[in-house]
Amino acid sequence: QVQLVQSGAEAQKPGASVKISCKTSGYTFTSYPIHWLRQAPGQRLEWMGWINTDNDRVKTSQMFQGRLTITRDTSASTVFMELSSLRSEDTAVYYCAKDRGYCGSGNCYPDAFNMWGQGTMVTVSS
Amino acid sequence: DIQMTQSPSTLSASVGDRVTITCRASQSVITWLAWYQQKPGKAPKLLIYKASTSESGVPSRFSGSGFGTEFTLTISSLQPDDFATYYCQQYNDYPRTFGQGTKVEIK
Repeated sequence: QVQLVQSGAEAQKPGASVKISCKTSGYTFTSYPIHWLRQAPGQRLEWMGWINTDNDRVKTSQMFQGRLTITRDTSASTVFMELSSLRSEDTAVYYCAKDRGYCGSGNCYPDAFNMWGQGTMVTVSS
Repeated sequence: DIQMTQSPSTLSASVGDRVTITCRASQSVITWLAWYQQKPGKAPKLLIYKASTSESGVPSRFSGSGFGTEFTLTISSLQPDDFATYYCQQYNDYPRTFGQGTKVEIK
């Protein structure tokens, strides 16, 4: 079955970086985009960006201008999210999510998020 | 960015009640609208996509409707497992944006 398994909780100091992995299984990795989202305590979900796992193209929210890097390792069916220059407001649960839309021949047809990782808690505190 | 606003923010209901949640977008998202259910400490679960299409395995008591800027999620007969927070999300444009959530509580 389709699974997305994220790396474990992180505690970081302000100004540091965090890198979270999302290992996928149960489907063809390059056929579906992977998105990253986060949810601060008691807040709504916030979309951060996505990667076309077929051609490695990335689109990120302007909210994270210059701080967010999304990469993939096709051989490991894994996507990574790195957020730099952390501040206390980045404390949140971070999720990867699989798009139900299809990617192929260089194009993606984005859709809703039909499978999610279990979430990774990132705490930023001095 | 497209702003998504849900109402109500909290809803108290009993098992067996018919429940309706509304989601309004600040501009048209056509039918590129999804609904998710989230329980405490868990990841969201997709219920409805393309405004009215049920995800595989979702009970038939969940239904969605709407077009443009106004959408609804209806639970025809609330079950104990349905007490959770529900979010709408548009995927017509980037950044993808979510409503603030509607918490369905036991009355």
